[in-house]
Amino acid sequence: GENVEQHPSTLSVQEGDSAVIKCTYSDSASNYFPWYKQELGKRPQLIIDIRSNVGEKKDQRIAVTLNKTAKHFSLHITETQPEDSAVYFCAAVDNAGNMLTFGGGTRLMVKP
Amino acid sequence: GAGVSQSPRYKVAKRGQDVALRCDPISGHVSLFWYQQALGQGPEFLTYFQNEAQLDKSGLPSDRFFAERPEGSVSTLKIQRTQQEDSAVYLCASSLATSGGNEQFFGPGTRLTVL
Repeated sequence: GENVEQHPSTLSVQEGDSAVIKCTYSDSASNYFPWYKQELGKRPQLIIDIRSNVGEKKDQRIAVTLNKTAKHFSLHITETQPEDSAVYFCAAVDNAGNMLTFGGGTRLMVKP
Repeated sequence: GAGVSQSPRYKVAKRGQDVALRCDPISGHVSLFWYQQALGQGPEFLTYFQNEAQLDKSGLPSDRFFAERPEGSVSTLKIQRTQQEDSAVYLCASSLATSGGNEQFFGPGTRLTVL
């Protein structure tokens, strides 16, 4: 089955700086890679996703890149704000399945 | 419109008790998923329904766990003879389509504590 590794587990940045979170996956058949943001005690919420036929996708301050050959994908947040503080999860879905396989999460702390 | 809802939000059970957790997916969503999220970890897949059919239950940790979705909408996750290691947040998610690669919308979860 799929295995997703996520790094770093914690990340502290100053407000206005950029944050980068990296994930690797094991199943070359995976073709959909969403990123979820989870605030303390709240539900995971999708912030951006990318499919395997695309190398990069951007939505305002958030961007995701995908390298299929290396089987890794990354989340980039620019001009970080205190409200970006949360736990971020990457995930992967393979072509045959439907369930999400999540990484272990990254706790992002943005210091004002 | 209403999102995915779950009840109860919190459940405390004594070891050995049976519990039932409910999920109301977004109306019209064909796919429904259950995940288990231990403290400080990412959600882990338990089981998947397409309408009323349970197509994948490979993530259920033991035969004490049982899930159903008899009419293709509301789903119930039942845990029999609860153990302390069952303590976790149980998340339900629904998706409009049947194929992989579609956004899953999560409910707020049920936090289960087994004493």
